[in-house]
Amino acid sequence: RKEVEQDPGPFNVPEGATVAFNCTYSNSASQSFFWYRQDCRKEPKLLMSVYSSGNEDGRFTAQLNRASQYISLLIRDSKLSDSATYLCVVRLSNTGNQFYFGTGTSLTVIP
Amino acid sequence: DGGITQSPKYLFRKEGQNVTLSCEQNLNHDAMYWYRQDPGQGLRLIYYSQIVNDFQKGDIAEGYSVSREKKESFPLTVTSAQKNPTAFYLCASSAPRSGRTYEQYFGPGTRLTVT
Repeated sequence: RKEVEQDPGPFNVPEGATVAFNCTYSNSASQSFFWYRQDCRKEPKLLMSVYSSGNEDGRFTAQLNRASQYISLLIRDSKLSDSATYLCVVRLSNTGNQFYFGTGTSLTVIP
Repeated sequence: DGGITQSPKYLFRKEGQNVTLSCEQNLNHDAMYWYRQDPGQGLRLIYYSQIVNDFQKGDIAEGYSVSREKKESFPLTVTSAQKNPTAFYLCASSAPRSGRTYEQYFGPGTRLTVT
């Protein structure tokens, strides 16, 4: 079973739409949670860490549900520049601080 | 500017040759990591190091070797024993931030093509 699972998409949404991605993780010992953004043929870049109480950064809102072991990312008012692959990442502290990556969800924002 | 550098950006090698990928960071991070990414797949951990002179195998270490002689450097050697070395290789480093959580930062990657 994969440590982190995401719907690969693709999600094709019009500009201005709201889109949500979900991600599930299998290990209840997971300590830290993140969303990364990866553009085509580029390195992943940290979008936001996900805190237990949920957190917001501009148009982006991340939520964590430890009981159900899932993480979500909500993007409001989508921009063309939001088109990318979004990676869900968890860190397990009991394995020497290893990070586990989902395969990513592809988003295309259409004019 | 603080960051992670990887060189070269593109690398071409003949089958049977060993090749070493460079990774340097000036973020003063203790932990460093090597991943490979294949088309349509997620990142897979090759090796990681939490401290100088120490490193551990990740999920796909066979055919690879690393060293960690300095805090800022974590080179990866792709040996001829690696069956499918053509991939996008990403180096990362991490450290705790504000005592709350670790965040991992990536270099720009090296695309290795072996023919």
